[in-house]
Amino acid sequence: GESVGLHLPTLSVQEGDNSIINCAYSNSASDYFIWYKQESGKGPQFIIDIRSNMDKRQGQRVTVLLNKTVKHLSLQIAATQPGDSAVYFCAETLRADYKLSFGAGTTVTVRA
Amino acid sequence: DTAVSQTPKYLVTQMGNDKSIKCEQNLGHDTMYWYKQDSKKFLKIMFSYNNKELIINETVPNRFSPKSPDKAHLNLHINSLELGDSAVYFCASSLTYQGTEAFFGQGTRLTVV
Repeated sequence: GESVGLHLPTLSVQEGDNSIINCAYSNSASDYFIWYKQESGKGPQFIIDIRSNMDKRQGQRVTVLLNKTVKHLSLQIAATQPGDSAVYFCAETLRADYKLSFGAGTTVTVRA
Repeated sequence: DTAVSQTPKYLVTQMGNDKSIKCEQNLGHDTMYWYKQDSKKFLKIMFSYNNKELIINETVPNRFSPKSPDKAHLNLHINSLELGDSAVYFCASSLTYQGTEAFFGQGTRLTVV
Protein backbone atom coordinates (compact mmCIF):
# COMPACT_ATOMS: atom_id res chain seq x y z
CA GLY A 1 0.00 0.00 0.00
CA GLU A 2 1.18 3.51 -0.72
CA SER A 3 -0.03 7.01 -0.01
CA VAL A 4 0.82 8.17 -3.51
CA GLY A 5 1.79 11.71 -4.20
CA LEU A 6 2.17 14.42 -1.68
CA HIS A 7 -0.06 13.18 1.09
CA LEU A 8 -3.14 11.08 1.59
CA PRO A 9 -4.90 11.13 4.92
CA THR A 10 -5.63 7.40 4.95
CA LEU A 11 -3.90 4.25 3.79
CA SER A 12 -5.32 0.72 3.88
CA VAL A 13 -2.77 -2.08 3.69
CA GLN A 14 -3.03 -5.84 3.56
CA GLU A 15 -1.19 -7.54 6.38
CA GLY A 16 2.21 -8.70 5.17
CA ASP A 17 2.43 -6.11 2.38
CA ASN A 18 4.87 -3.21 2.40
CA SER A 19 3.55 0.27 3.21
CA ILE A 20 4.81 3.56 1.89
CA ILE A 21 3.72 6.79 3.55
CA ASN A 22 4.60 10.03 1.84
CA CYS A 23 5.12 13.48 3.24
CA ALA A 24 5.91 16.83 1.66
CA TYR A 25 7.74 19.15 4.01
CA SER A 26 7.53 22.89 3.79
CA ASN A 27 10.86 24.48 4.72
CA SER A 28 13.78 23.93 2.36
CA ALA A 29 16.12 24.94 5.20
CA SER A 30 14.95 22.11 7.49
CA ASP A 31 17.83 19.82 8.32
CA TYR A 32 16.35 17.23 10.62
CA PHE A 33 13.31 15.05 10.06
CA ILE A 34 11.47 12.57 12.23
CA TRP A 35 8.69 10.07 11.68
CA TYR A 36 6.31 9.52 14.57
CA LYS A 37 3.64 6.89 15.12
CA GLN A 38 0.57 7.70 17.18
CA GLU A 39 -1.70 4.90 18.35
CA SER A 40 -5.20 5.61 19.52
CA GLY A 41 -5.24 7.29 22.94
CA LYS A 42 -1.47 7.63 23.12
CA GLY A 43 1.16 10.24 22.45
CA PRO A 44 3.33 10.26 19.33
CA GLN A 45 6.14 7.74 19.47
CA PHE A 46 9.48 8.13 17.70
CA ILE A 47 10.05 5.71 14.82
CA ILE A 48 13.08 6.92 12.91
CA ASP A 49 14.90 10.13 12.10
CA ILE A 50 17.15 11.38 9.33
CA ARG A 51 19.45 14.36 8.94
CA SER A 52 19.62 16.37 5.76
CA ASN A 53 23.10 15.11 4.88
CA MET A 54 21.59 11.67 4.26
CA ASP A 55 19.04 10.47 1.75
CA LYS A 56 18.22 7.10 3.29
CA ARG A 57 18.21 5.55 6.71
CA GLN A 58 17.08 2.10 7.77
CA GLY A 59 15.73 0.82 11.04
CA GLN A 60 14.00 -2.36 12.05
CA ARG A 61 11.37 -2.96 9.31
CA VAL A 62 11.34 0.77 8.51
CA THR A 63 13.21 2.89 6.01
CA VAL A 64 13.07 6.64 5.64
CA LEU A 65 13.92 8.29 2.33
CA LEU A 66 14.65 11.97 1.96
CA ASN A 67 14.56 13.85 -1.33
CA LYS A 68 15.64 17.42 -0.64
CA THR A 69 15.25 18.46 -4.26
CA VAL A 70 11.49 18.10 -4.11
CA LYS A 71 11.17 18.42 -0.30
CA HIS A 72 9.78 14.94 0.04
CA LEU A 73 10.06 12.42 2.82
CA SER A 74 8.75 8.87 2.84
CA LEU A 75 8.46 6.08 5.37
CA GLN A 76 8.50 2.51 4.19
CA ILE A 77 7.27 -0.22 6.50
CA ALA A 78 8.17 -3.76 5.50
CA ALA A 79 5.78 -6.65 6.09
CA THR A 80 3.08 -4.50 7.68
CA GLN A 81 1.54 -5.99 10.81
CA PRO A 82 -1.74 -5.26 12.64
CA GLY A 83 0.25 -3.45 15.32
CA ASP A 84 1.35 -0.94 12.68
CA SER A 85 -2.19 0.47 12.51
CA ALA A 86 -1.84 4.05 13.72
CA VAL A 87 -1.55 7.65 12.57
CA TYR A 88 1.88 8.45 11.16
CA PHE A 89 3.34 11.97 11.20
CA CYS A 90 6.40 13.41 9.59
CA ALA A 91 8.05 16.30 11.40
CA GLU A 92 10.72 18.74 10.29
CA THR A 93 12.94 21.20 12.07
CA LEU A 94 16.04 23.26 11.90
CA ARG A 95 18.49 21.70 14.36
CA ALA A 96 19.60 25.13 15.51
CA ASP A 97 16.04 26.18 16.19
CA TYR A 98 14.26 23.16 17.53
CA LYS A 99 10.69 23.86 16.61
CA LEU A 100 9.29 20.60 15.37
CA SER A 101 6.67 21.25 12.70
CA PHE A 102 4.37 18.34 12.13
CA GLY A 103 2.73 17.45 8.85
CA ALA A 104 -0.83 16.27 8.57
CA GLY A 105 -0.97 12.66 9.70
CA THR A 106 -1.69 9.57 7.62
CA THR A 107 -3.98 7.00 9.21
CA VAL A 108 -2.76 3.51 8.35
CA THR A 109 -5.20 0.63 8.70
CA VAL A 110 -3.89 -2.91 8.34
CA ARG A 111 -6.35 -5.46 6.94
CA ALA A 112 -6.06 -9.02 8.19
CA ASP B 1 8.91 4.18 35.14
CA THR B 2 7.01 6.31 32.66
CA ALA B 3 9.37 8.66 30.84
CA VAL B 4 7.06 11.63 30.31
CA SER B 5 3.95 11.66 32.44
CA GLN B 6 1.18 14.22 32.46
CA THR B 7 -1.90 14.58 34.63
CA PRO B 8 -4.77 14.48 34.37
CA LYS B 9 -5.44 12.26 31.36
CA TYR B 10 -8.94 13.65 30.97
CA LEU B 11 -10.25 17.04 32.01
CA VAL B 12 -13.82 18.23 31.56
CA THR B 13 -14.57 21.75 32.70
CA GLN B 14 -16.92 24.65 32.14
CA MET B 15 -16.19 27.76 30.12
CA GLY B 16 -14.57 30.48 32.14
CA ASN B 17 -12.83 28.17 34.57
CA ASP B 18 -9.09 28.06 35.21
CA LYS B 19 -7.29 24.74 35.02
CA SER B 20 -3.77 23.32 35.11
CA ILE B 21 -2.11 20.34 33.47
CA LYS B 22 1.05 18.96 35.01
CA CYS B 23 3.98 17.30 33.28
CA GLU B 24 7.05 15.57 34.58
CA GLN B 25 9.90 13.81 32.81
CA ASN B 26 12.38 11.43 34.41
CA LEU B 27 14.75 11.24 31.45
CA GLY B 28 17.14 13.91 32.60
CA HIS B 29 16.34 15.98 29.52
CA ASP B 30 17.02 19.69 29.34
CA THR B 31 14.13 20.68 27.09
CA MET B 32 10.38 20.35 27.53
CA TYR B 33 7.46 21.28 25.31
CA TRP B 34 3.73 21.69 25.16
CA TYR B 35 1.91 20.72 21.97
CA LYS B 36 -1.76 21.04 21.10
CA GLN B 37 -3.52 18.46 18.90
CA ASP B 38 -6.85 19.49 17.46
CA SER B 39 -9.76 17.32 16.38
CA LYS B 40 -8.19 16.85 12.93
CA LYS B 41 -5.03 15.49 14.57
CA PHE B 42 -2.91 18.51 13.65
CA LEU B 43 -0.08 18.86 16.16
CA LYS B 44 1.22 22.34 16.84
CA ILE B 45 3.90 23.48 19.22
CA MET B 46 2.85 25.96 21.87
CA PHE B 47 5.84 26.42 24.18
CA SER B 48 9.32 25.14 24.76
CA TYR B 49 11.53 25.48 27.82
CA ASN B 50 15.22 24.73 28.02
CA ASN B 51 16.62 24.40 31.53
CA LYS B 52 13.62 26.27 32.91
CA GLU B 53 14.00 29.12 30.43
CA LEU B 54 11.32 29.85 27.83
CA ILE B 55 12.78 29.48 24.33
CA ILE B 56 9.73 29.06 22.13
CA ASN B 57 6.46 30.85 22.57
CA GLU B 58 4.25 30.41 19.56
CA THR B 59 1.21 32.55 18.92
CA VAL B 60 -0.75 31.35 21.88
CA PRO B 61 -3.31 33.43 23.79
CA ASN B 62 -1.86 34.82 26.99
CA ARG B 63 -4.56 32.90 28.86
CA PHE B 64 -2.07 30.04 28.53
CA SER B 65 0.85 30.31 30.92
CA PRO B 66 3.51 27.65 31.19
CA LYS B 67 5.56 27.30 34.34
CA SER B 68 8.75 25.33 34.81
CA PRO B 69 9.73 25.03 38.48
CA ASP B 70 12.70 22.85 37.50
CA LYS B 71 13.91 21.24 34.33
CA ALA B 72 12.00 18.02 35.04
CA HIS B 73 8.62 19.74 35.24
CA LEU B 74 6.63 21.90 32.87
CA ASN B 75 3.08 22.75 33.85
CA LEU B 76 0.46 24.49 31.77
CA HIS B 77 -2.07 26.79 33.34
CA ILE B 78 -5.05 27.98 31.34
CA ASN B 79 -7.22 30.89 32.49
CA SER B 80 -10.78 31.66 31.42
CA LEU B 81 -11.22 28.50 29.40
CA GLU B 82 -13.06 28.78 26.08
CA LEU B 83 -14.82 26.17 23.95
CA GLY B 84 -12.04 26.43 21.34
CA ASP B 85 -9.49 25.30 23.90
CA SER B 86 -10.93 21.79 23.70
CA ALA B 87 -8.14 19.60 22.33
CA VAL B 88 -5.55 17.06 23.39
CA TYR B 89 -2.49 18.66 24.97
CA PHE B 90 0.79 16.81 24.84
CA CYS B 91 3.84 17.39 26.92
CA ALA B 92 7.18 16.28 25.46
CA SER B 93 10.86 16.41 26.31
CA SER B 94 14.13 16.11 24.43
CA LEU B 95 17.73 15.78 25.50
CA THR B 96 18.55 19.23 24.18
CA TYR B 97 16.70 21.73 22.05
CA GLN B 98 18.98 21.16 19.09
CA GLY B 99 18.09 18.36 16.77
CA THR B 100 17.16 15.49 19.02
CA GLU B 101 14.01 13.43 19.11
CA ALA B 102 11.20 14.44 21.40
CA PHE B 103 9.51 11.95 23.73
CA PHE B 104 5.81 12.55 24.25
CA GLY B 105 3.51 12.00 27.17
CA GLN B 106 0.17 10.23 26.80
CA GLY B 107 -1.76 13.46 26.40
CA THR B 108 -4.48 15.30 28.32
CA ARG B 109 -7.85 15.44 26.63
CA LEU B 110 -9.38 18.76 27.61
CA THR B 111 -13.08 19.26 26.99
CA VAL B 112 -14.60 22.65 27.67
CA VAL B 113 -18.39 22.67 27.94
